Amino acid sequence: QKEVEQDPGPLSVPEGAIVSLNCTYSNSAFQYFMWYRQYSRKGPELLMYTYSSGNKEDGRFTAQVDKSSKYISLFIRDSQPSDSATYLCAMSRGSNYKLTFGKGTLLTVNP
Amino acid sequence: DAGVIQSPRHEVTEMGQEVTLRCKPISGHDYLFWYRQTMMRGLELLIYFNNNVPIDDSGMPEDRFSAKMPNASFSTLKIQPSEPRDSAVYFCASSSSYGEKLFFGSGTQLSVL
Repeated sequence: QKEVEQDPGPLSVPEGAIVSLNCTYSNSAFQYFMWYRQYSRKGPELLMYTYSSGNKEDGRFTAQVDKSSKYISLFIRDSQPSDSATYLCAMSRGSNYKLTFGKGTLLTVNP
Repeated sequence: DAGVIQSPRHEVTEMGQEVTLRCKPISGHDYLFWYRQTMMRGLELLIYFNNNVPIDDSGMPEDRFSAKMPNASFSTLKIQPSEPRDSAVYFCASSSSYGEKLFFGSGTQLSVL
């Protein structure tokens, strides 16, 4: 079983839709959870960063962590064509441990 | 800050040739990482440095790969000799800590023919 599993998609939605992106993981020691956004031909950029369980909101984006289920989600409200990108989840045990990335989900928001 | 700067953006070479990728991290970041990204395997950590010292190179696929960081503002990843299976996007990233927020460059698209 891979440490981090992420559905590669592709996921295609109309503008304005609510998008749900998810990752599951097997290592219960993971404490830090991140979402990176990667536009075509660019490097990943940090979008959301959460510690342990719970929700974190930033504008149209909400990151959710359920450690009991080993499941994390990223919700995008009122999706825009500019949100079209690959979204990668990433997690680590702490600041002295390496980041483990999911393979990414390709999202297209159609105008 | 200009962010992490990588060069070249694209590299096309023939099998057997030497390839050198370059990276300038964000000033003040103590950690530098080299990643490789492919469709099949996603993002793979090749090697990382802390304060210019290589800490973990277990992700380097073969002896054909080597990386150096002669000072805090410059690192290279070298492949010699290159092979078609090395074709991928190579990213450099820097951070102020190991397991947290990484700042990536725009990558080098390498094609080995």
